[in-house]
Amino acid sequence: QPQLQESGSGLVRPSQTLSLTCAVSGVSISSGGYSWSWIRQAPGKGLEWIGYFYESGYTYYTPSLRSRLTISADKSKNLLSLKLTSATAADTAIYYCARVPRRDFALDVWGQGTLVTVSS
Amino acid sequence: EIVLTQSPGTLSLAPGERATLSCRSSQTINNNCLAWYQQRPGQSPRLLIYGVSNRATGIPDRFSGSGSGTDFTLTISRLEPEDFAFYYCQQCGTSPHTFGPGTMVDFK
Repeated sequence: QPQLQESGSGLVRPSQTLSLTCAVSGVSISSGGYSWSWIRQAPGKGLEWIGYFYESGYTYYTPSLRSRLTISADKSKNLLSLKLTSATAADTAIYYCARVPRRDFALDVWGQGTLVTVSS
Repeated sequence: EIVLTQSPGTLSLAPGERATLSCRSSQTINNNCLAWYQQRPGQSPRLLIYGVSNRATGIPDRFSGSGSGTDFTLTISRLEPEDFAFYYCQQCGTSPHTFGPGTMVDFK
């Protein structure tokens, strides 16, 4: 059974870079057939889709974050990463990574999420 | 960007009752790429339905999805206590893969 585990900087100062990783186990991110997504949820709010990463290296970012966002992977470590520059309080959220089967593009396996707070 | 609207915002029902949740899209969703997720308090979302009407692995058959084009429905035939939660629809036919704002199903 695949598992995803997010981790990263829990507290980020405004204007600094928010950095997260997602450790994937039980499936190789290089195996094909899947892309990998990041989603976030501000406290008490709904889900916001951030972007995805294909094993080929192709990425897509939601337009509102595109200028600040980088999603990448270290295939040798089976790790996904997310970097969001120039963080503001509006970036405070629980960040989730999820697996996306290419057959249907639904988010079928989720991590437990990690809370990032942007505050001075 | 495709905007999804969910209604009602809150659905107050009793265990054993039928729940009908609506998801409407601002544009036709390509390839019937519409999914539903359940999120209980303090938990990660869980995939319920993909491709409009396909139940994900391990999802009970009291959950069903239907619809096409711009109008979609999630139906829970008989609510169990563990079904009282938030429900989100998501379209994956056009990037960005947007979510709806959610419907909360709570106890009447």
